[in-house]
Amino acid sequence: GDSVTQMEGPVTLSEEAFLTINCTYTATGYPSLFWYVQYPGEGLQLLLKATKADDKGSNKGFEATYRKETTSFHLEKGSVQVSDSAVYFCALSDQGAQKLVFGQGTRLTINP
Amino acid sequence: GAGVSQSPSNKVTEKGKDVELRCDPISGHTALYWYRQSLGQGLEFLIYFQGNSAPDKSGLPSDRFSAERTGGSVSTLTIQRTQQEDSAVYLCASSLAGLAQMQFFGPGTRLTVL
Repeated sequence: GDSVTQMEGPVTLSEEAFLTINCTYTATGYPSLFWYVQYPGEGLQLLLKATKADDKGSNKGFEATYRKETTSFHLEKGSVQVSDSAVYFCALSDQGAQKLVFGQGTRLTINP
Repeated sequence: GAGVSQSPSNKVTEKGKDVELRCDPISGHTALYWYRQSLGQGLEFLIYFQGNSAPDKSGLPSDRFSAERTGGSVSTLTIQRTQQEDSAVYLCASSLAGLAQMQFFGPGTRLTVL
């Protein structure tokens, strides 16, 4: 079945550091890929998405590129801020499916 | 309200008791989803409703879990004879029909089974 694997956390960085959170997936079809973010005390919200190979999703300075050849969708940000501290979830939705399959989440803490 | 709401926000119960968790989706969203977020694990799909179609129950972990959606709007997730391993945050999401990738999530219900 479909699955998503994220790098394990927690991840702790200093402000202005470069961030990468790795995500790889297994899917039978041609999935859409997502990153969701859960800020402390808030609900899960969509950060960015990509619906086909080589698409790049971007939002709030975060980027992720859909790499079909490596089945990856790594999340990157060039300069993180304290306000980026949150739990990040990689997810997929397979073609025709109506559910999201999530990775286990990566807790990110940014220190000033 | 403008978003997905869930109640209660926290629920503490004793092992063996039944619990009901409620979800109010965004008005006009015909698709509704339940997920479970257990400590140290990712979000796990439980069940999906779309309009009047039969729900996709493929994610329900046991027959102690059930859900219904009355009138195509509010949904209730029921867990019978709760066990400690049921302790988790239960998340509800809704979307427009056919737009599973644009799910909006509620704040969740944190269930603790003692």
